[in-house]
Amino acid sequence: DTGVSQDPRHKITKRGQNVTFRCDPISEHNRLYWYRQTLGQGPEFLTYFQNEAQLEKSRLLSDRFSAERPKGSFSTLEIQRTEQGDSAMYLCASSPARVRGTSEQYFGPGTRLTVT
Amino acid sequence: AQSVTQPDIHITVSEGASLELRCNYSYGATPYLFWYVQSPGQGLQLLLKYFSGDTLVQGIKGFEAEFKRSQSSFNLRKPSVHWSDAAEYFCAVGVGGSQGNLIFGKGTKLSVKP
Repeated sequence: DTGVSQDPRHKITKRGQNVTFRCDPISEHNRLYWYRQTLGQGPEFLTYFQNEAQLEKSRLLSDRFSAERPKGSFSTLEIQRTEQGDSAMYLCASSPARVRGTSEQYFGPGTRLTVT
Repeated sequence: AQSVTQPDIHITVSEGASLELRCNYSYGATPYLFWYVQSPGQGLQLLLKYFSGDTLVQGIKGFEAEFKRSQSSFNLRKPSVHWSDAAEYFCAVGVGGSQGNLIFGKGTKLSVKP
């Protein structure tokens, strides 16, 4: 059973450096989501892809953040010029598309980012 | 705007006791509702979901939840808690439409006393 995988699981970086995270969704799922979770909070939506198209971005996604999903398979999330406030768990989820409404989302284990 | 409130930040129950975790949502249309569980340092695992139909839904690990439209609630229950249920529990509402991202509550941390 291949669920959602994320790499790396942990990343420690110095402020000002760029980081990139990868997410591999469940293979038959065409929707992919990125969320950010800080301590004591629930996950907050960052961005969403349907196949290779990025259809929605949260206002949380500043200009320093960029996400891609080439060929509608894996996705990458890049953070440029990291700041200490970027320290969080970055979660990826995938879901099958529904004709209407929300499908259940399956989450990966997350990437824990620490910016020093 | 859509929102989810989980009024209890931390709950402690004895092993074998019953459990109810509260969730209230704010959403204009018929909601898509979910409960997830997160163990320390891990991603989220789907426990159960409500899309439509029967308002009492069964999930994995012996959990169930009841949708009450009049109270805008979707409380999670388990008749007998096991020590392995200690984790953080998140209620979420689906935005719906063509987007479908989830809005989460802040979570309830469950501790289980032996």
